[in-house]
Amino acid sequence: NAGVTQTPKFRVLKTGQSMTLLCAQDMNHEYMYWYRQDPGMGLRLIHYSVGEGTTAKGEVPDGYNVSRLKKQNFLLGLESAAPSQTSVYFCASSYNGRPYNEQFFGPGTRLTVL
Amino acid sequence: DQQVKQNSPSLSVQEGRISILNCDYTNSMFDYFLWYKKYPAEGPTFLISISSIKDKNEDGRFTVFLNKSAKHLSLHIVPSQPGDSAVYFCAALADRGSTLGRLYFGRGTQLTVWP
Repeated sequence: NAGVTQTPKFRVLKTGQSMTLLCAQDMNHEYMYWYRQDPGMGLRLIHYSVGEGTTAKGEVPDGYNVSRLKKQNFLLGLESAAPSQTSVYFCASSYNGRPYNEQFFGPGTRLTVL
Repeated sequence: DQQVKQNSPSLSVQEGRISILNCDYTNSMFDYFLWYKKYPAEGPTFLISISSIKDKNEDGRFTVFLNKSAKHLSLHIVPSQPGDSAVYFCAALADRGSTLGRLYFGRGTQLTVWP
């Protein structure tokens, strides 16, 4: 099992460009999450999904869109990148939302917006 | 508004001694608490957790203590080893309601264990 994988690992964008980050999990998990980590800020939830075809906003959703067309994939889109979106992005998944089902994290995508 | 707080950004401990990492929370709806460990260039990995119905949970060298009245929890690592050097995140969630499944993270504490 690969667990949770993220592509790409690194990306540099110019302000105003768009891109999509892909997250894939092979554990048949229902719940998937996108977080961003900024220095001194911990991990903050951007969007999450409780099942195929469903998405919901987290703490910092502005400037991002997501889609969950397939159970195993969760896409994070930036329509018009801004320097404030420079961050490390982590995807995670869990069997369901219950606390005894841990969240498994991917290795992260480091995004720089110039 | 930070609902989970880790007020110490860093901690340095000698190998073999105890490491104590602290965490405070403000939301009384939280009823489950977790610690995640993160090495550079990797995603966080689950370390240990505790339910609000308990005040202690132990797993090998790692013990988490919960003081509900003070809204405070701590992670004890005994004995500390150089391989424990990492960023430790405290996280909390409510096991019910509209935010089911959402983890709220603290800002993390960088632990350095020196030989």
